[in-house]
Amino acid sequence: SQQGEEDPQALSIQEGENATMNCSYKTSINNLQWYRQNSGRGLVHLILIRSNEREKHSGRLRVTLDTSKKSSSLLITASRAADTASYFCATDADGANSKLTFGKGITLSVRP
Amino acid sequence: SAVISQKPSRDICQRGTSLTIQCQVDSQVTMMFWYRQQPGQSLTLIATANQGSEATYESGFVIDKFPISRPNLTFSTLTVSNMSPEDSSIYLCSVGGASYEQYFGPGTRLTVT
Repeated sequence: SQQGEEDPQALSIQEGENATMNCSYKTSINNLQWYRQNSGRGLVHLILIRSNEREKHSGRLRVTLDTSKKSSSLLITASRAADTASYFCATDADGANSKLTFGKGITLSVRP
Repeated sequence: SAVISQKPSRDICQRGTSLTIQCQVDSQVTMMFWYRQQPGQSLTLIATANQGSEATYESGFVIDKFPISRPNLTFSTLTVSNMSPEDSSIYLCSVGGASYEQYFGPGTRLTVT
């Protein structure tokens, strides 16, 4: 069964707006990673947050992690049309030896 | 981050045939994985490619169908054997980074007719 579940499944926003995507998971984790995928191509690694971290920033990206609620959020600020893509969260569960379990993904459309 | 290449980038194959996908990394890595992404779906781990020993397969995947080789720390192959249309997917290799990030290759888009 899949570890991560993102919501919403699809999100459409106007350029310049912020996009917030959520991910929930079921078991204890070592870390959680967010990826972007454009049009069925390879995955681009966005950010990794460890289980003992609560927030990380990278450019226009902000990721939070709440291990008590087993959830994470990815915020993209000041979105651009080029941010249009599918976004996935993936968890590295305790004892999983770095094997990632992916959520179903969120399709983000940014309208110019 | 590691630079990962895959060959071929895409292929169209007939049912019953086999295709071998190559994954090359520009540096030595310990952890290397193979994933499958079926159309419109998320990624599912097929196996961990172990250098010098047999791959470790996830539930639902078997060596006869997806034989994997890992001759050294920079290269691995995945073969999709006796293909059927249900094998039409994107196949991706990934490598583990020093800080537990995983980086993915560009993927191989396989269509089985």
